[in-house]
Parts: sequence; structure tokens; C-alpha cells
Amino acid sequence: SAVISQKPSRDICQRGTSLTIQCQVDSQVTMMFWYRQQPGQSLTLIATANQGSEATYESGFVIDKFPISRPNLTFSTLTVSNMSPEDSSIYLCSVGPLGTDTDTQYFGPGTRLTVL
Amino acid sequence: AQSVAQPEDQVNVAEGNPLTVKCTYSVSGNPYLFWYVQYPNRGLQFLLKYITGDNLVKGSYGFEAEFNKSQTSFHLKKPSALVSDSALYFCAVRVASGGSYIPTFGRGTSLIVHP
Repeated sequence: SAVISQKPSRDICQRGTSLTIQCQVDSQVTMMFWYRQQPGQSLTLIATANQGSEATYESGFVIDKFPISRPNLTFSTLTVSNMSPEDSSIYLCSVGPLGTDTDTQYFGPGTRLTVL
Repeated sequence: AQSVAQPEDQVNVAEGNPLTVKCTYSVSGNPYLFWYVQYPNRGLQFLLKYITGDNLVKGSYGFEAEFNKSQTSFHLKKPSALVSDSALYFCAVRVASGGSYIPTFGRGTSLIVHP
């Protein structure tokens, strides 16, 4: 499996501000995804980060609120814009396929965001 | 469409006893099934998966899961629980072919192992 890192690991932000979360993988991957995990909830897919083109957003998520970049096959960023307390969540980057493992998504350690 | 049900929000077990975390699924076609574990303040770690072949799948940390097609279940098991197994466990499913690579996750089951 690959090493997936996220920065920052946690942050406390004021409402109305924006935070950019980075996801770095130590090998090239075809697909990268961003998930949100609200307190006590399961994972919700925000978008698929596409290399060299605009991200594909799931229903209920829009580019203006969650702009995503993916400049290459090992890196992606998610920005949470104009934050409100409802954005307090864990944000998770995931990747796959990895090498010969074509079936499994692997996750980064997550970014724990608290909005005051 | 695909869905996963984890009927228990919380499972309590004494250390040394066997544990089971339940998962049932619904998918149009053959399923790929996954278990992930989330320790406090951590991301999701992959535990094991069923793709094809033997219905009993063995994974990390002594966990195993049994695929039961007739009952559409994929329960996670361990013969002897450890306090360190206390965590949040997620089951996930996706269709084997012709569908999205993206799985659907259950709502999670909190496993608490008491000393």
C-alpha cells in the first residue's frame, strides 16, 4: 500500500474564513477522492479529484464551496470556503487503485476541522 | 443502487471473548465488500475485503469476515477481542463490475472491548 499524508492534521478556524487541505501520496494513483465525516456520521463523498480537469462533485456539493485542485497524479487539495460551524468535520482524502490492488480505496489520516 | 446496513450502533464485548460486528448489503450484481477500522482521531484503515473465491476472508489484526450470499451478509469476526480493538468499524460495498469504483459505506459500528 502507499503512504498517504494530509496537512494540516487538525485546525480551528473562524467562520467566514477558508482552509485548504493538502493530500500527498508517495506513488502515482489514478483516482483521488475527498470525503467528509461529520460528527457521529458515516463518510460522505464530496468529489472525485480529476487530474488535469475539473473535479466531479456529488449531489449537494458545489465547486464554489469546495474547490479542488489536482495538478498531478500524487497531489490534491480541497478548500473549504466561507466556513460555518456546520463545516466542522473530519475531511478524508482517499486514493485507488494502487499498483496491483485494483479494488480497494485507501485513506489518509484525515483533517479534523473545527469552525467557531 | 447499492446500500449497506450496520444494524448496531455499538457492540460491547469483554476482552478475550469472541466479537461479531454485523453488516448486510444490497447491490445489483456481484458485490465487492470491505471492512475498515477508524481508531480515535485517525483516518480509515483497510482491514479486509471479499472479491471472489473463499467465503471466509482473513485480514489484519486477526480479524476475519464471512461472505454469505444467501443472507447478503458480511459480518466481521474475531475469536478473541483485545481492548485495543476498541474503535469504529465501517462496512462498505460496491458492485463488482460495470458500476462505480466508489463504495457505499455503512454508518459505522462502535466496538467497545471491556478489560
